[in-house]
This record gives sequence, C-alpha cells and structure tokens, in this order.
Amino acid sequence: AQTVTQSQPEMSVQEAETVTLSCTYDTSESNYYLFWYKQPPSRQMILVIRQEAYKQQNATENRFSVNFQKAAKSFSLKISDSQLGDTAMYFCAFDMRFGAGTRLTVKP
Amino acid sequence: AAGVIQSPRHLIKEKRETATLKCYPIPRHDTVYWYQQGPGQDPQFLISFYEKMQSDKGSIPDRFSAQQFSDYHSELNMSSLELGDSALYFCASSVGLAGPASSSYNEQFFGPGTRLTVL
Repeated sequence: AQTVTQSQPEMSVQEAETVTLSCTYDTSESNYYLFWYKQPPSRQMILVIRQEAYKQQNATENRFSVNFQKAAKSFSLKISDSQLGDTAMYFCAFDMRFGAGTRLTVKP
Repeated sequence: AAGVIQSPRHLIKEKRETATLKCYPIPRHDTVYWYQQGPGQDPQFLISFYEKMQSDKGSIPDRFSAQQFSDYHSELNMSSLELGDSALYFCASSVGLAGPASSSYNEQFFGPGTRLTVL
C-alpha cells in the first residue's frame, strides 16, 4: 500500500529563519511525483513544490527547496527566510494520498 | 487565469438528505478528482474521472456517486447524509492523469472547496 507519513504535527519558526518539514512515503513504483501543498487559513490548497523521482536533482522554487532521498523514501521541505505569510498547514502528497499535515507557525 | 470552480461554496443539509456538489475544471482539463477533508484532517481521495470515465477510486462511500459530463464538469452526489459527512470537499483538475498511471507530470489544480455541514 502506498502511504505518506508526516511525523511533525506542529512546528514553529522565527521570521527570517529556516525550517525543515519532514515527510516519508512508501511505494513500489519506480517513477512517481511527490508534492508539497500549502493550506493557509483560507483552506485553499496551493502547490508549493514538486519533485519527480526520476530526477536526482532536488527541486527548488524560490525560498522553498526539497531534500529528496529516494532510497530512504524521504522528501523533506526546507523553507528559507521564513515569512509570516508562510504560516499554514503543509501537506506532503504522493499520487492522490496526503500526509496528516504539519501546522507551521512563523513568529514575528 | 481561469481556475477550478466549485459550487456551491457552502451547503447546509439535514441528516438523511441528499446533496449535489458541482465542479467545473479549468478549460481544456480532462481529468477531475474529488477529495474530502474533515475538520483537522488531511484530504482523502474519493474518486477521479478521465475523459468522462472513472479512472481511480478511493475511499468514496457507497452512498456517494459521481460522474463527469461531456463538457468535463463533474458532480458528486451524496445521499442519506450523515453527520460525519460534514467536511470540505475539494475538486481538482488536470490535463491527463496525475498519478502512477500517467507517463508524465500532470499537476492537479485545486478548487476553493465546498463546505458541507450536515445537521
């Protein structure tokens, strides 16, 4: 069965600092896509970053980057220079399955 | 740019009533996905359609049914509503399938959701 696990229910970070959110998954597929979604209080689901398992290079989108370890089935999200607007729930997703989410609070 | 449209945005129903949620995908998107997100929960995949045919099925209750029409919009029909059906229902759309069955990346674009409250 394909599963997605986020083991950090809540995290906080000071504005301008860096934070890393963890995600592990399980699959028997060889090529696939992994996603991080942000869900702010408005509850809109927003794609933050995606990674193709076939690619060795870690994806980067401005202040957001991933550390993708295929052998370990690990897909963590790093947010640099955290901003107040980054406060949200963050979901790791694989296929149509989502992790339980991490509530990130950025403190001024 | 056009986004996924869901209607209604809010819906209040009584137990044992029926509800129909509608989803209008982004133009030229041929795949629609339905998700249910309970309070404090992660989104749970219900069902998806590609080119008007069911492409994948998740944890959709037997009381629910869905279809995709010729104009690619989709409707989720929910009968015999229960208190536990109260949730945010997301629709997402993509060009082609997004998932292991796809041969290329097809991003899902999410709609704003329909908040269903069952009293």
